[in-house]
Amino acid sequence: EAGVAQSPRYKIIEKRQSVAFWCNPISGHATLYWYQQILGQGPKLLIQFQNNGVVDDSQLPKDRFSAERLKGVDSTLKIQPAKLEDSAVYLCASSLDLVAEAFFGQGTRLTVV
Amino acid sequence: ELKVEQNPLFLSMQEGKNYTIYCNYSTTSDRLYWYRQDPGKSLESLFVLLSNGAVKQEGRLMASLDTKARLSTLHITAAVHDLSATYFCAVDLQKGWSDPDKLIFGTGTRLQVFP
Repeated sequence: EAGVAQSPRYKIIEKRQSVAFWCNPISGHATLYWYQQILGQGPKLLIQFQNNGVVDDSQLPKDRFSAERLKGVDSTLKIQPAKLEDSAVYLCASSLDLVAEAFFGQGTRLTVV
Repeated sequence: ELKVEQNPLFLSMQEGKNYTIYCNYSTTSDRLYWYRQDPGKSLESLFVLLSNGAVKQEGRLMASLDTKARLSTLHITAAVHDLSATYFCAVDLQKGWSDPDKLIFGTGTRLQVFP
């Protein structure tokens, strides 16, 4: 069974630039999560989707971060404009449904300089 | 504010020794996860603990949950080098069985096992 796919694996941008990350969840998984993991910390949930609807985006900095899952499968997370403190690994995870165990992708490491 | 605290944050231990990692949390929860993360890799699920008193074991790792004390432990028996990684606990804030999962991760424990 293929796992959660994310791209790119690494990205370096200058502050105030824009960046987008892509996630393809495990086939059949209705729930999709985006997490931010700052170096030396545990992952923090940014947004949770159920199919193409948002379940929880309470910790998403909406002035600069946006995410969508238009067809209920793939998802993109965008940062515009990026700040130095956005440097982190962005992890995507998916689960069969809202209460099932989540499986994580390898993440996208973002460095903002 | 919910806090999920792990200790120790760093653990250097000799092969063959035993040790316990602790995960304390500050709110009511009946579900807790343990994950392993290797450098540059994603999170690998180790255990899901679903009720008070739950105990699960896999190889040299054993996890337990005491919901009354708001404490989970990850016990390492006769450590080997392959166990070197960062271990995270994650508390599920889900209020009811039909409510969506919401995981709050601890700070992680970086484990290094040396010969």
